Amino acid sequence: DSGVTQTPKHLITATGQRVTLRCSPRSGDLSVYWYQQSLDQGLQFLIQYYNGEERAKGNILERFSAQQFPDLHSELNLSSLELGDSALYFCASSTQLADTQYFGPGTRLTVL
Amino acid sequence: DAKTTQPNSMESNEEEPVHLPCNHSTISGTDYIHWYRQLPSQGPEYVIHGLTSNVNNRMASLAIAEDRKSSTLILHRATLRDAAVYYCILRPYNNAGNMLTFGGGTRLMVKP
Repeated sequence: DSGVTQTPKHLITATGQRVTLRCSPRSGDLSVYWYQQSLDQGLQFLIQYYNGEERAKGNILERFSAQQFPDLHSELNLSSLELGDSALYFCASSTQLADTQYFGPGTRLTVL
Repeated sequence: DAKTTQPNSMESNEEEPVHLPCNHSTISGTDYIHWYRQLPSQGPEYVIHGLTSNVNNRMASLAIAEDRKSSTLILHRATLRDAAVYYCILRPYNNAGNMLTFGGGTRLMVKP
């Protein structure tokens, strides 16, 4: 158990819908990262927050957005969902910027 | 960004040592070598990292070539639980975003 929690574990929805994925980092960790893992693209970095501020952006679509709240939990919002958004979404956290990242168990999103 | 090259898959027998190679011929002086692994149906898990010297921890050893253009992750006695995809990742020391860039990794199969 990494100490990072993600909810929900599974999510099934339809094209065009909007969903919110939630991540609680390890106690004391200030940095949160979101990654997407699909069969064809592998594990890809989406976005990073550090102590509430956006720190870095990767291959995140404009239809996706994220935020980190004052209690340090983070949410990833995915809208206008397409079939190709079906993937595993992982959240990771670290204490400081350059530290080891600890990954959560992931949320499996299926778009029908 | 510097890239890594790993074999797609490797096989090992249980309780034997395993040497997982990684080539990173374009590594720069500030790149740390990180290894993560992903067990089936789980998020990635940190294994070990190093800069120039060989490193040991409770999970594995990391042997880094003198010219730093390659490295080897060593599992001293493979168990069935070590069957996973192993990722070799280069992370710049001054990576402002601190994200991990995953490649295809090596799928390790462990035979009883």
